[in-house]
Amino acid sequence: DSGVTQTPKHLITATGQRVTLRCSPRSGDLSVYWYQQSLDQGLQFLIQYYNGEERAKGNILERFSAQQFPDLHSELNLSSLELGDSALYFCASSVGAGSNIQYFGAGTRLSVL
Amino acid sequence: GNSVTQMEGPVTLSEEAFLTINCTYTATGYPSLFWYVQYPGEGLQLLLKATKADDKGSNKGFEATYRKETTSFHLEKGSVQVSDSAVYFCALSEDQGAQKLVFGQGTRLTINP
Repeated sequence: DSGVTQTPKHLITATGQRVTLRCSPRSGDLSVYWYQQSLDQGLQFLIQYYNGEERAKGNILERFSAQQFPDLHSELNLSSLELGDSALYFCASSVGAGSNIQYFGAGTRLSVL
Repeated sequence: GNSVTQMEGPVTLSEEAFLTINCTYTATGYPSLFWYVQYPGEGLQLLLKATKADDKGSNKGFEATYRKETTSFHLEKGSVQVSDSAVYFCALSEDQGAQKLVFGQGTRLTINP
């Protein structure tokens, strides 16, 4: 168990809908990262937050947004969903903004029908 | 941009065979290098890491050496077990300030008894 908790484990929804994925980092970790794993794109970095502030941005679509709350949990919001958004979404956490080791949650599998 | 290339999978071996999974990278600066493992239905777990040239990371019988001259970080194990069956990802960290990871495409390893 990595100590990173992601909910829900599975999500099935329809095109055009909006969903929210939740992540609780390991106790004491200030950084949260979101990654998308899909068959065609592989594992791609989406966005990083450190202590409530956006720290780095990757290939995140404009339809996607994230935030980190004062209790350090994070949410990834996906809107106007398309079939191609079906993927496994991972959250990871680390102690600091530039810490080397990231600990991954078990992921949320999103299926857009 | 920075990138990681892994050997094509899937790889199937018999128990006690020698394992090599090739990984090469392209990066500016001095990235840290990682191997992560993903067991079925689980998130990614850090297997080993190396932070500078000639460093050797090792864990659970797996080893990888950071070779700056060949920009490689090949994963090796002398005698694999059925329990090593998983997907293995090579990754690099892009910079020290924001530790977003760039992953290779993953190599699925199956070990037959």
